[in-house]
Amino acid sequence: DTGVSQDPRHKITKRGQNVTFRCDPISEHNRLYWYRQTLGQGPEFLTYFQNEAQLEKSRLLSDRFSAERPKGSFSTLEIQRTEQGDSAMYLCASSSTGTGNGYTFGSGTRLTVV
Amino acid sequence: QQPVQSPQAVILREGEDAVINCSSSKALYSVHWYRQKHGEAPVFLMILLKGGEQKGHEKISASFNEKKQQSSLYLTASQLSYSGTYFCGTEKSGGSEKLVFGKGTKLTVNP
Repeated sequence: DTGVSQDPRHKITKRGQNVTFRCDPISEHNRLYWYRQTLGQGPEFLTYFQNEAQLEKSRLLSDRFSAERPKGSFSTLEIQRTEQGDSAMYLCASSSTGTGNGYTFGSGTRLTVV
Repeated sequence: QQPVQSPQAVILREGEDAVINCSSSKALYSVHWYRQKHGEAPVFLMILLKGGEQKGHEKISASFNEKKQQSSLYLTASQLSYSGTYFCGTEKSGGSEKLVFGKGTKLTVNP
């Protein structure tokens, strides 16, 4: 078990460009979450999947954000027409269904929009 | 909806105790606790479930008061390795299945 992997670790992009991040969860975990974290704040919920189904998406998330989890394995998070306010650490976490199970977080992708 | 954590920051000397509180205005099903060190991902510490008992993990334990929708994290005989930011994550009753995290409590343990 190699844990939750995220790629890339860092991304610098110009405003207006599109970016895509990848998350590979722990293979036995059927739930996958995306969070965003800015300096001095707790992780902010973006969306989550159970297997391949996207069950909830934050109302704070604009239409520029989209996530997929084809075949219930890895997931991608795409941000279109990036804005400076999108600069943050994007965290992926996975867990398995059932009570008493915590999240395992990946190391995150740090996005800087210039 | 975001849980409120207190205090915002704590500075301890090695061996001292600390309590971190987390309160919610919503009825909760579970409370998670995580620790995040600078530049690293949050690490799961423990989960408190509605109707469950107080949990413990070495010298770190936690409680969940369902009536008050509050949880407390207890760190006893703190070690240098306890330094980091502690987050509580709350899951609403009704099985929302996602966690809403507080803003965190920064704990610094000095020699």
